[in-house]
Amino acid sequence: DAMVIQNPRYQVTQFGKPVTLSCSQTLNHNVMYWYQQKSSQAPKLLFHYYDKDFNNEADTPDNFQSRRPNTSFCFLDIRSPGLGDAAMYLCATLGSYNEQFFGPGTRLTVL
Amino acid sequence: GIQVEQSPPDLILQEGANSTLRCNFSDSVNNLQWFHQNPWGQLINLFYIPSGTKQNGRLSATTVATERYSLLYISSSQTTDSGVYFCAVEVTDSWGKLQFGAGTQVVVTP
Repeated sequence: DAMVIQNPRYQVTQFGKPVTLSCSQTLNHNVMYWYQQKSSQAPKLLFHYYDKDFNNEADTPDNFQSRRPNTSFCFLDIRSPGLGDAAMYLCATLGSYNEQFFGPGTRLTVL
Repeated sequence: GIQVEQSPPDLILQEGANSTLRCNFSDSVNNLQWFHQNPWGQLINLFYIPSGTKQNGRLSATTVATERYSLLYISSSQTTDSGVYFCAVEVTDSWGKLQFGAGTQVVVTP
């Protein structure tokens, strides 16, 4: 059974048009992460939540925002997508031993 | 910050061959994980291995924390093993924040 679910799997948006990506987890863990992964690169952490406590990485652009309305759900909002924001966006949470489990990702295309 | 280096960067294997991937890290870590990213982009957790040796089918991993390296062994490789293998270490005093290596791209040919 999927532990981390991401929707949609593929998202196409226009330059400057806001977009929201969603993530849900069934592990009921209080930590969730959002990563950005560009082609041929390792995942890069954007931010993480501990419960509702939001922790932004120092180099995450202001264009990226996040919401976590409850333990299970987390959203990534890109306020004004640029061509450089085209990437795979990965959501993750923790298992019983603090191992990270990732969702299948949302591949974002910006036209 | 902590540095994580993986080698080799690329690996081409014939089906049935064995291989070893290496991960070196520059400082003490809380834990180390190996992931496989398949061609569709899904990151699969292979091993959570802060120290010692673990085996899962044809894959096994060994971490020597005192010497700051980990090895991932693939035996009798299959085409489904193709993809990118990432090593990631947990930064100390963080909420499970991972520092990834650059990955090893593995291609298994029939």
